[in-house]
Amino acid sequence: DAMVIQNPRYQVTQFGKPVTLSCSQTLNHNVMYWYQQKSSQAPKLLFHYYDKDFNNEADTPDNFQSRRPNTSFCFLDIRSPGLGDAAMYLCATSRDFGAGDQPQHFGDGTRLSIL
Amino acid sequence: KQEVTQIPAALSVPEGENLVLNCSFTDSAIYNLQWFRQDPGKGLTSLLLIQSSQREQTSGRLNASLDKSSGRSTLYIAASQPGDSATYLCAGLSGGYNKLIFGAGTRLAVHP
Repeated sequence: DAMVIQNPRYQVTQFGKPVTLSCSQTLNHNVMYWYQQKSSQAPKLLFHYYDKDFNNEADTPDNFQSRRPNTSFCFLDIRSPGLGDAAMYLCATSRDFGAGDQPQHFGDGTRLSIL
Repeated sequence: KQEVTQIPAALSVPEGENLVLNCSFTDSAIYNLQWFRQDPGKGLTSLLLIQSSQREQTSGRLNASLDKSSGRSTLYIAASQPGDSATYLCAGLSGGYNKLIFGAGTRLAVHP
């Protein structure tokens, strides 16, 4: 049973046209993360939510924003996508901020293409 | 600043071989080290998690070790099968909010 669900699996948008990616979870975890993974590169953390508290990584572009309206859902908004934003976007959850005993659970990702 | 490196970047082996994937990290202050599998165009599947107080973890044909003092982890795959073909990523967990720092992965191909 899928526990972290990302929609859509593939998203195509035009240069500069706002796009929203969706993530939902059935685990009732407190923490939700968004990662960006470009082709053949390591996933890179963009931001995370602990409950309603939002934390942006220092080098995340201003073009990227996130919303978490409730425990189950988290959205990634890209206000004006550029060609360099084409990537796989991965959503992950963890129950809490542990002492290293809690794995992160990942969805299948959304592959974003920019025309 | 934590940096994670994986060597080799790609590996091709015949079916049945035992193999070792390497991961090194620069900051020994990690809470855990995780190994993931990624199939083409898919998300990440967690394989093994080694807490900082542990030395190794095993799951089926997979065994992962952790040596914090040397900044190294290895993933051992026994009796490789074509179904093991995928990219394997390691990631170190550190920081107050459980930030995962990933390596770029080792792309494994097991041919019949």
